[in-house]
Amino acid sequence: AQSVTQLGSHVSVSEGALVLLRCNYSSSVPPYLFWYVQYPNQGLQLLLKYTSAATLVKGINGFEAEFKKSETSFHLTKPSAHMSDAAEYFCAVKGYGGSQGNLIFGKGTKLSVKP
Amino acid sequence: ETGVTQTPRHLVMGMTNKKSLKCEQHLGHNAMYWYKQSAKKPLELMFVYNFKEQTENNSVPSRFSPECPNSSHLFLHLHTLQPEDSALYLCASSQDEWGGSGYTFGSGTRLTVV
Repeated sequence: AQSVTQLGSHVSVSEGALVLLRCNYSSSVPPYLFWYVQYPNQGLQLLLKYTSAATLVKGINGFEAEFKKSETSFHLTKPSAHMSDAAEYFCAVKGYGGSQGNLIFGKGTKLSVKP
Repeated sequence: ETGVTQTPRHLVMGMTNKKSLKCEQHLGHNAMYWYKQSAKKPLELMFVYNFKEQTENNSVPSRFSPECPNSSHLFLHLHTLQPEDSALYLCASSQDEWGGSGYTFGSGTRLTVV
């Protein structure tokens, strides 16, 4: 069965500092992995996805994530945080099973950016 | 505008009421989903429709009744809900049931049951 674990329900960084949001996955098959962002009172927006091509994936808003099979990780990074990055971030893995696959989400990490 | 529109954005209903949530997409997607997002819990998949046919019901209580009249519209009919059903209900769509390209989400309906 597929699952994701996001380490840290809340991360706080200063504006201009490195953003690192951690995600570890469990999958019995080569995984498809996703990062989504949710701003207050809004739905989820796709940031980036890994679909077994390049291990370093670049997304929108300057975010990127690196797939590391040996560590079963897919951490999200951004070199320099902006105030507008404050939001909740969700890691997800595509599930397999039943009649079809669906996305299995982590519990989310809330990112705060201090001025 | 995300391409997936949900109405209403906010809904307050009593436990004896009947109401419906609506989701609409004109992205040409063939699969649609209902998710429940509660505080401090992971997103919970409720229902999946592919080409209008329900392909997954994730052990959802019968007081939630989905309807998918066509590939562009998805409804969630609500009746005799409980306070613990208060949550953000998110609709999503994907190109196909396989979902490998990711989902497009609506902005959600914030439901409060009183």
